Parts: sequence; C-alpha cells; structure tokens
Amino acid sequence: EVQLVESGGGLVQPGGSQRLSCATSGFTFSNYGMSWVRQAPGKGLEWVSGISGSGSTTYYADSVKGRFTISRDTFRNTVYLQMNSLRVEDTAVYYCAKDRLLNQWLVQLTFDYWGQGSLVTVSS
Amino acid sequence: QSALTQPASVSGSPGQSITISCTGTSSDVGGYNYVSWYQQHPGKAPKLMIYDVSTRPSGISNRFSASKSGNTASLTISGLQAEDEANYYCSSYASSSTLVFGGGTKLTVL
Repeated sequence: EVQLVESGGGLVQPGGSQRLSCATSGFTFSNYGMSWVRQAPGKGLEWVSGISGSGSTTYYADSVKGRFTISRDTFRNTVYLQMNSLRVEDTAVYYCAKDRLLNQWLVQLTFDYWGQGSLVTVSS
Repeated sequence: QSALTQPASVSGSPGQSITISCTGTSSDVGGYNYVSWYQQHPGKAPKLMIYDVSTRPSGISNRFSASKSGNTASLTISGLQAEDEANYYCSSYASSSTLVFGGGTKLTVL
C-alpha cells in the first residue's frame, strides 16, 4: 500500500525557515517524481515544486523560486521541502504527491497518491 | 503561471448531469494533452479522477468523463450522487515542466 506522510509543519515567523518532510512507502521511491502542492486556508491548490525520481532535476513555481528547495533521500524514501524567507502568504497546508507514471528523469505532474498534508502558519 | 479559470460553483439534482469547464491558454491546456481533474472533499487530500484529458484511473466510476477543445477542458459527471458533492480542480502541465491548477469549483448536489 502506497503511503505518504508529511511532517514538519507548525508556526513560524515571517522571514523564518521551516523544513517539511514526506516519508513514503509502498513503491520504488527512486522511480517516481514527487511534488509539493499547497493550499492556503479556504483557497485552491497551488503546485509549489517537483523533483525527478533520480533527484537530478528540480522545478519550482515562480512564487517560491529562490526561497524554497526540494530534495530527496533515496535511502530514507523521503522527500523534503526547505522553505526560507517565509512570508505570510506562504501559510497553507502543504501536501506531498507522487507522480502517476514511472520515470526517473522527468516529473510528469499527474498525482495518483497524496499525503494527508502538513499545516505551515507564517505569522508574527 | 496564472491559474486556470473554473466556475466557482455548480449544482445539480441527484441523477442529473453537470459539466465543469476549465479554461487556460495555448501555453497550458491548449498546448498539452496533460489535463487532470481532482476531487477534494473538505478536510481531505485531493483524489485523481481524470488524467491525460480523458482517462479514468482504475476504480473511478464511468459516471466521470472529460474532454478538451482548444484551450478549454471539461469534466462531466452524470447520474449525480450525494457523494459527488465536493470541490473539483483541473490542472494542466505548462511550459518548463511546471503545473498550473484551476481555482476550483464547488459542486453542490441539491
């Protein structure tokens, strides 16, 4: 059974940093691209960042480019999102999501499994 | 990376059919056959309902169908059931390996 479990959310001050983790199981982690998608309270979904199965390529939304960094650890089957210079508008539930198609080198950005989400609140 | 345009809400009675539109540009919806649709119940994670414009994943009811014409994609739900009441989001692959979502549509089953 595929499982994605996010952790690391919480309250952080504007300008601060936070690292989210997404522990995975039930599939061959290195074969699939992974992404982070966020949802501000009462708002819609926003794709944040993606990383290929190999970890060799990463992609970011313009809204977080230069502030957020996605990475993955094949030994721990975990994907991370390092968030720096956080802003109030970054407040959201952050979901990790698994690509549907097997591909080590690209991200396909269609998600067949999602985690339960981790709330990040940026506030003073 | 502007959001795709969806109606804020749609409604229908049990047994009826509804259609949700999703309008983008030639740089996203019109340029790629990688439109997906997700269903999200309040407080839950999104669930993939349609991918590659019109393909249903295993286990998704054939009451859900979708298509695309030009820069607009559409999701149709036939034989509406109470459990279909949820928020629906379209997404499209866009240039430079990025993804754009629609603003979401709240479906109310009357």
